[in-house]
Amino acid sequence: DAGITQSPRHKVTETGTPVTLRCHQTENHRYMYWYRQDPGHGLRLIHYSYGVKDTDKGEVSDGYSVSRSKTEDFLLTLESATSSQTSVYFCAISNRDIQGYTFGSGTRLTVV
Amino acid sequence: AQSVTQLDSQVPVFEEAPVELRCNYSSSVSVYLFWYVQYPNQGLQLLLKYLSGSTLVKGINGFEAEFNKSQTSFHLRKPSVHISDTAEYFCAVSDGNTGFQKLVFGTGTRLLVSP
Repeated sequence: DAGITQSPRHKVTETGTPVTLRCHQTENHRYMYWYRQDPGHGLRLIHYSYGVKDTDKGEVSDGYSVSRSKTEDFLLTLESATSSQTSVYFCAISNRDIQGYTFGSGTRLTVV
Repeated sequence: AQSVTQLDSQVPVFEEAPVELRCNYSSSVSVYLFWYVQYPNQGLQLLLKYLSGSTLVKGINGFEAEFNKSQTSFHLRKPSVHISDTAEYFCAVSDGNTGFQKLVFGTGTRLLVSP
């Protein structure tokens, strides 16, 4: 979607290195989310944000941290990448009116 | 916590045949329900949603879904599928009491449409 972009689209990194994924929105939505998608597991929530500097953990937050210093940017950091974090990562945004999420195109991360 | 079950991981169907993709959720007093579609190498796109009101919800691309509170189900249907409907479909639920959306997704159903 034009209102939400993720970068990079693909990344290969080595075990033990830190990695940061970026989600940028132009919709001025309050809520932002990071999910990971894995075969057989669907999408699982990693972290979410309900405002600038306001974040909380999702169901699979171990090994991940996030930051939101501006409304438009939500960063996901893998502090020390492991092979189990090889996945496709999706960012999503929403506003308060329960209309559903808008998803980014995803980042395919491979940890070797 | 809410949970979603999509019983079928894969559904093969011939073009122009009807299809139903099943979704069941854990019970709650108030829920919002969604179906998303994911085409290969793309993000997820909203197909339809149930927030309140009529239990039959119509979405894009000729899809519809019926909310059944007694069965805690929200099955997705299309009377005649096309090759272009080949994709993965995700059901999602949000607890209507939380005040904002935090969607829980099912594991997905891959719809394979063949000629």
